[in-house]
Amino acid sequence: DVKVTQSSRYLVKRTGEKVFLECVQDMDHENMFWYRQDPGLGLRLIYFSYDVKMKEKGDIPEGYSVSREKKERFSLILESASTNQTSMYLCACQNLYEQYFGPGTRLTVT
Amino acid sequence: QKEVEQDPGPLSVPEGAIVSLNCTYSNSAFQYFMWYRQYSRKGPELLMYTYSSGNKEDGRFTAQVDKSSKYISLFIRDSQPSDSATYLCAMNDPRGAQKLVFGQGTRLTINP
Repeated sequence: DVKVTQSSRYLVKRTGEKVFLECVQDMDHENMFWYRQDPGLGLRLIYFSYDVKMKEKGDIPEGYSVSREKKERFSLILESASTNQTSMYLCACQNLYEQYFGPGTRLTVT
Repeated sequence: QKEVEQDPGPLSVPEGAIVSLNCTYSNSAFQYFMWYRQYSRKGPELLMYTYSSGNKEDGRFTAQVDKSSKYISLFIRDSQPSDSATYLCAMNDPRGAQKLVFGQGTRLTINP
């Protein structure tokens, strides 16, 4: 079974803090994704990566950046957290067209 | 218009009922169709995966794709309380980037 782990299940940060969310997969998959999920808005793609050191903007990249230094690890960075970034963040890796998700990080920015 | 439309529900049915969950889409290039199940406070898990038109069955679950109508369905037979979750449809255009387009998700509750 594919295993995708995320560094925290719950996180509380203050406005203006720099926030790091980490994601690790154990299946050597090339593609990795970061989404946020909000009630009524569904899953929205923030960034994705096809390979190490490669990144592509998704639908809502503003306020976020990413880092992929190793194939198994994909990090999402909130440079200066704001209250509108309070959300559930989901990481996924992909094999062909099947995506496998981590358990999610519920981030609250106060 | 969204590329993928899914009724968010909520949908509430008695245990043992047949459940039908549906998505419509607008992009005729979509070829791969997936259903994900997401329990509360968990990440989505891949439930079923089909390519192009047709049916696929896995236990109590049947996925159906009708490309002519741009309509996909997930049927759950003999529904159980453990089936209570949010169900998301997802699809992919193989000609483009390897991204998925997700429906909004339908929240389903099976009442004992």
